[in-house]
Order: sequence, then C-alpha cells, then structure tokens
Amino acid sequence: GAVVSQHPSRVICKSGTSVKIECRSLDFQATTMFWYRQFPKKSLMLMATSNEGSKATYEQGVEKDKFLINHASLTLSTLTVTSAHPEDSSFYICSARALAASYNEQFFGPGTRLTVL
Amino acid sequence: QKEVEQNSGPLSVPEGAIASLNCTYSDRGSQSFFWYRQYSGKSPELIMFIYSNGDKEDGRFTAQLNKASQYVSLLIRDSQPSDSATYLCAVNVNTGTASKLTFGTGTRLQVTL
Repeated sequence: GAVVSQHPSRVICKSGTSVKIECRSLDFQATTMFWYRQFPKKSLMLMATSNEGSKATYEQGVEKDKFLINHASLTLSTLTVTSAHPEDSSFYICSARALAASYNEQFFGPGTRLTVL
Repeated sequence: QKEVEQNSGPLSVPEGAIASLNCTYSDRGSQSFFWYRQYSGKSPELIMFIYSNGDKEDGRFTAQLNKASQYVSLLIRDSQPSDSATYLCAVNVNTGTASKLTFGTGTRLQVTL
C-alpha cells in the first residue's frame, strides 16, 4: 500500500516552455500533497502544500505564478512549471499524506527530473 | 539554528556492524519523527516513524526518541552494502493551520565489504 506515482519521470524542454508534472496516489486518498525540489547533493526543499479543493500554500520565496499547483481530486495533484528556464532544472518530487494518516506520515513519488535547455 | 540537524557524513561502517544515525531538532512541540532512506538519484522512501519516547523496532531498524533531549536516532543492525544511502531525518511541524515535515540535510551511510 501507500504507492505514489509521478509522471513524467524525466523531461527535457526548451527555455520558455511550460511543463506539467502529475502526482497520483494509487491506493489511498490523499487530502494533502506536497511538492519538493532537490538540487544535487542537497536536501529536499518544500515548495508548496496542496490541499484537495483549495488553493495551494507556497513556501516563502517560491513564486506561485511560476509554479502552478492544482489538486483537483483526492488522488491527483499537478505542478506546472511555467516559462521554464535553465535555473528551474532540478529533481521535483511530490509526496502524499493519506486521509487516514495518524502521524502525518508522507509517501513520496519517484520524482521527475526536469532539464531546461 | 537549523530546525533539524544531522551530520552529513559519510558514516562508514563495515558489513555486519551496527550503523548509528543521529538527528536533533529545535521545535519542542514536534510530535512525530520520521526516517527516510534516499538512494542516489531516487526519491525518499519511508523506513519508519516514531512518536513516543523510547525505542521502536522494525526488523533490522530501531528508532530511538528522547523528547527531553530533542534527539532521535536510527540504528541499523547487521548493516548490508545495500543499506548504503543517504538517511533523512524528518520532523512533523504544526504551524497552526498546517502540518508539514521539516527535513534534515541527511547523513550519507557507506557500508563497506
């Protein structure tokens, strides 16, 4: 149980284009999903918290107009990187917290490696 | 002061030995604590979590929590080369209306043959 998928696993795009990343909880309902990014040899940086049916909460310094988050259902959240630039190249990882989570445990998707040329 | 602190390592232990990974945290209100394992190029995988003082065992893994000292550790018995990874300590932080995990920078473990 507690499987989270992400799609795509890798994406290469040209500067200025937008990229959408999907995060799905496959065998549980997730009221809350989280989006992280991770640079090489660095720790996870929380970008935003996504709650089903409401606006995402962004961490300080994260541009909400650049990183659009939609959490339309209890099993799907999407992150859209708009007008991507080379500095947006990173490893983007989502996690999901189950509706029934007693201790706020989160389960991570496999991640999406974004390369912007 | 960082909210969650870990020694970056690398921590090198021989195969079969006990690996001890440590983590301290600053928020006394933290209530649940997590250990994740992350292989290079992969996403974190939840190993175990703990919320009460004392020890919690799961197979070769034991988590230890001491809330008075704001300290949580992970012991790995009979370490195997496949345990070589970065271990992330995470602490649940409640910020009034939200609840989120704060991660340490991770400790890199190397299990040598």
